[in-house]
Amino acid sequence: SQQGEEDPQALSIQEGENATMNCSYKTSINNLQWYRQNSGRGLVHLILIRSNEREKHSGRLRVTLDTSKKSSSLLITASRAADTASYFCATTEAGGTSYGKLTFGQGTILTVHP
Amino acid sequence: DAGITQSPRHKVTETGTPVTLRCHQTENHRYMYWYRQDPGHGLRLIHYSYGVKDTDKGEVSDGYSVSRSKTEDFLLTLESATSSQTSVYFCAIRDGTGVAYEQYFGPGTRLTVT
Repeated sequence: SQQGEEDPQALSIQEGENATMNCSYKTSINNLQWYRQNSGRGLVHLILIRSNEREKHSGRLRVTLDTSKKSSSLLITASRAADTASYFCATTEAGGTSYGKLTFGQGTILTVHP
Repeated sequence: DAGITQSPRHKVTETGTPVTLRCHQTENHRYMYWYRQDPGHGLRLIHYSYGVKDTDKGEVSDGYSVSRSKTEDFLLTLESATSSQTSVYFCAIRDGTGVAYEQYFGPGTRLTVT
């Protein structure tokens, strides 16, 4: 079963609006990452937040992490049509080796209409 | 793109035939991973490598084997392909430093087993 579960499974918004995606996970983590995947392409790393961090920003991206609730959210502000993609959260389990194995959620499909 | 290539990019094969997928990287990264992506399952780890000749199983390793005889190549073999192995396969790499957990993905191989 997937460590990360994402909500919603699909999100459709207009250009300029904000998009929020949520991710829940089950075990203690070392860090949580968000990736984007454009149709037919490989995944691209967006942002990483460590377990001792609560919020992180990168450009129009804002990620929050609540380890007590085992959840994270990704906010994309002022969305653009080019943000249309699938977004995945991925976790690295705490206490493991340094092999850095990732466990992915099932993803949120974001569609931004011009 | 972190210098990752995958070959072939597309393959159609018959049930029972052996198939080998190749992942090649040019930047001497220590860690390499094979994932499969299926609708409703996100990405799932098949096998990973933490050095030449050092490999281990992931979440969905049954029916797959891997080899890494040199740093730049990580091979995934389906000894006898089955229809359930129809999927998109992604290779990823990670830098070897202890705190760098971001992974970088190849373009993917779409495999169809008929």
